[in-house]
Amino acid sequence: GAVVSQHPSWVICKSGTSVKIECRSLDFQATTMFWYRQFPKQSLMLMATSNEGSKATYEQGVEKDKFLINHASLTLSTLTVTSAHPEDSSFYICSARGKPGPSGMQPQHFGDGTRLSIL
Amino acid sequence: RKEVEQDPGPFNVPEGATVAFNCTYSNSASQSFFWYRQDCRKEPKLLMSVYSSGNEDGRFTAQLNRASQYISLLIRDSKLSDSATYLCVVKGNFNKFYFGSGTKLNVKP
Repeated sequence: GAVVSQHPSWVICKSGTSVKIECRSLDFQATTMFWYRQFPKQSLMLMATSNEGSKATYEQGVEKDKFLINHASLTLSTLTVTSAHPEDSSFYICSARGKPGPSGMQPQHFGDGTRLSIL
Repeated sequence: RKEVEQDPGPFNVPEGATVAFNCTYSNSASQSFFWYRQDCRKEPKLLMSVYSSGNEDGRFTAQLNRASQYISLLIRDSKLSDSATYLCVVKGNFNKFYFGSGTKLNVKP
């Protein structure tokens, strides 16, 4: 089945470091990528939506200069947390949506998530 | 008001019990509804879609009530392996997915 690979799965960094998270669709073309964040015991919150080749659309309250999203190809999107601070520690999950199939449905698949801990 | 609201639980039930979760959504124009399962520190996985007429998949039954804007999930004959957090998900405008905060289920021996 379709697979979305997210890397790294766990990262621990010092405060002030920039961290890049990659999200790859392995066997389908992801026309749209979604980035979510989940704090402990809370829901997944959509951060931004990106379409290949265009600028990402950020949800209200999400700083675009803080969370840089690049979706340069149909199989790769990256999220860079710039100058990360302890309050950015969270579980980040990407989701990739492919082109409509014969039934018209668009599959959407999640990456395994990245646990980011900022010391 | 949140797009999707769920009772966080936890629901503690014995093996074999039947348990039901409800979820309400605020956008009456929402078109697609799903239940996802999330195990601790893992990504959410699709459990089942929710169709207008209601649908069943083995021990799991999902119902949609558009008039009252709520979705339900019924689990029969609970197994220990059903212990997880169940997320109600609604696809809203611009194909965005909105997640509920999840309902935690603990199935005890």
